[in-house]
Amino acid sequence: QVQLVQSGAEVKKPGSSVKVSCEASGGTFSSYAFSWVRQAPGQGLEWVGGIIPMVGSAIYAQKFQGGVSITADESTNTVYLYLSSLRSNDTAMFYCAVGDGYNDFWGQGTLVTVSS
Amino acid sequence: EIVMTQSPATLSVSPGERATLSCRASQSVSSNLAWYQQKPGQAPRLLIYGASTRATGIPARFSGSGSETEFTLTISSLQSEDFAVYYCQHYNNWPAFGQGTRLEIK
Repeated sequence: QVQLVQSGAEVKKPGSSVKVSCEASGGTFSSYAFSWVRQAPGQGLEWVGGIIPMVGSAIYAQKFQGGVSITADESTNTVYLYLSSLRSNDTAMFYCAVGDGYNDFWGQGTLVTVSS
Repeated sequence: EIVMTQSPATLSVSPGERATLSCRASQSVSSNLAWYQQKPGQAPRLLIYGASTRATGIPARFSGSGSETEFTLTISSLQSEDFAVYYCQHYNNWPAFGQGTRLEIK
């Protein structure tokens, strides 16, 4: 059983950046496939990108390429999502999730609000 | 990029009845298809993976079928706790979700 604990809610100004964390426990961190999923208010789920820590390099959905970065720190069993050049329509809940392609386990979500 | 399309957008069904939700992929995803349930204010919950395998702890009234491009999630006898939004997701290379089906009480 894997547990994922995400960092707390963030309020950011347009044009700024934010880094959201997701700490994993209860499994073999390095071999898991982690994903980040975005959900704008009242909208559906969007896969942002993912990483397998032992592989190292992340992959991203075409829509999010260039605006996000996903990294993993094996020393702290933590995966990060970095969002830059934030705009108001980037306001969303971000979930980290883990599984073998599909997502067995989910974090509680981190709300990122972009507002001037 | 594979596009997932779910239908209908909203499904109204009475408790105790059967619900059938559909998901179509723009190209073959083999059996690399999962279904999730999401209730308001909660993270999604995995129901089905591999198109037809129930995840741990998922009741037998949930079943998945299909392959390649056409998939179905069936809930055999709706319970009050089943009214939620359901998403399909392929995980054949770059994953993608469908837009969701809202299952509401009739």
